[in-house]
Amino acid sequence: DAKTTQPPSMDCAEGRAANLPCNHSTISGNEYVYWYRQIHSQGPQYIIHGLKNNETNEMASLIITEDRKSSTLILPHATLRDTAVYYCIVRASYGNNRLAFGKGNQVVVIP
Amino acid sequence: DTEVTQTPKHLVMGMTNKKSLKCEQHMGHRAMYWYKQKAKKPPELMFVYSYEKLSINESVPSRFSPECPNSSLLNLHLHALQPEDSALYLCASSHQAKEHGYTFGSGTRLTVV
Repeated sequence: DAKTTQPPSMDCAEGRAANLPCNHSTISGNEYVYWYRQIHSQGPQYIIHGLKNNETNEMASLIITEDRKSSTLILPHATLRDTAVYYCIVRASYGNNRLAFGKGNQVVVIP
Repeated sequence: DTEVTQTPKHLVMGMTNKKSLKCEQHMGHRAMYWYKQKAKKPPELMFVYSYEKLSINESVPSRFSPECPNSSLLNLHLHALQPEDSALYLCASSHQAKEHGYTFGSGTRLTVV
């Protein structure tokens, strides 16, 4: 699986949109981009995933660049409950069933 | 039911004890996973079960022994653990199709004394 690069931490203002970047410059054509988050002392929570097109669900939007080398997770209206470690993961749609977490991005939503 | 349930939530055990962690899901998922997470580190994959058969063992020491009695249950048997095995143990499940996300439980906080 390709590796990802995320900032180690970032602050976001409550009520504003939070834009979380992820670089995955070695991603291959069959690899999906997944986003998970982990709130302190809880298990990771699936947020969204995509292959080529932008995706939106009730939690967030995922914007993938045309060359697929980077993506942005957008939390439209950040709340204090969105404070968590956010993991960007790329994973092949074939082969072994392995989801590997990187170091993630510690996001703190500030009042 | 859209949850993965793990029991117990907390466990303290001695180095000579034998204990088991349990994980249950009723979402019809046929892939189940054990992860280990040390403080301030990302989760690390330990085992993958696919259709009740062990498909991936990430070179985990034999003092950790997984078991999948049926499609809804996953156990992790612990024996002769070391203090450095203290961690949060997470169970997850997913559909077999790779494009689906994982559902994680809240974990078992294990302390080895």
